[in-house]
Amino acid sequence: GIQVEQSPPDLILQEGANSTLRCNFSDSVNNLQWFHQNPWGQLINLFYIPSGTKQNGRLSATTVATERYSLLYISSSQTTDSGVYFCATGTASKLTFGTGTRLQVTL
Amino acid sequence: GAGVSQSPSNKVTEKGKDVELRCDPISGHTALYWYRQSLGQGLEFLIYFQGNSAPDKSGLPSDRFSAERTGGSVSTLTIQRTQQEDSAVYLCASSTANYGYTFGSGTRLTVV
Repeated sequence: GIQVEQSPPDLILQEGANSTLRCNFSDSVNNLQWFHQNPWGQLINLFYIPSGTKQNGRLSATTVATERYSLLYISSSQTTDSGVYFCATGTASKLTFGTGTRLQVTL
Repeated sequence: GAGVSQSPSNKVTEKGKDVELRCDPISGHTALYWYRQSLGQGLEFLIYFQGNSAPDKSGLPSDRFSAERTGGSVSTLTIQRTQQEDSAVYLCASSTANYGYTFGSGTRLTVV
């Protein structure tokens, strides 16, 4: 099956800093998604990005499908950005999730 | 509805009992998925519905697990003879073509 690897596993940022999270996947895909799981466990879909670049406020994502990776950029981080970021990809019937990047933003 | 609704939000059950978990997807979303997340772990696929059919149920861990969907809408995940290793958060998501998943808030199942 598809393998999804995320890095770094843990990240601590001071409020206002920028960061880049990486997601590598083992097979060509067309449904790469990024999620944020907040400290209360709610999973929020950030981006559906099978290819190209998208931006939403302070967040943006880029997927280079031919090279099998995706990047999530967080700019001017805020404490509310804390939580776990998952990337996931796969077939129409199921997604394989990476193990996540745990982000802590401190004051 | 505006989002994916799951009930109950929490369920504590005794080992050996049966439980039913409910998912109400976003209206009009034909695809529905069940995942589970064990403490501190990633998400594990359980089953996928397209309409009322389940073309992929490869993630169901044993024959104690079953799921159905009726009217192209509500889905129920049933776990029979619960075991302690079934303790997890059970998450439901729905989607439509070329859009990402929308997850519900999950049901936290504790088997004691």
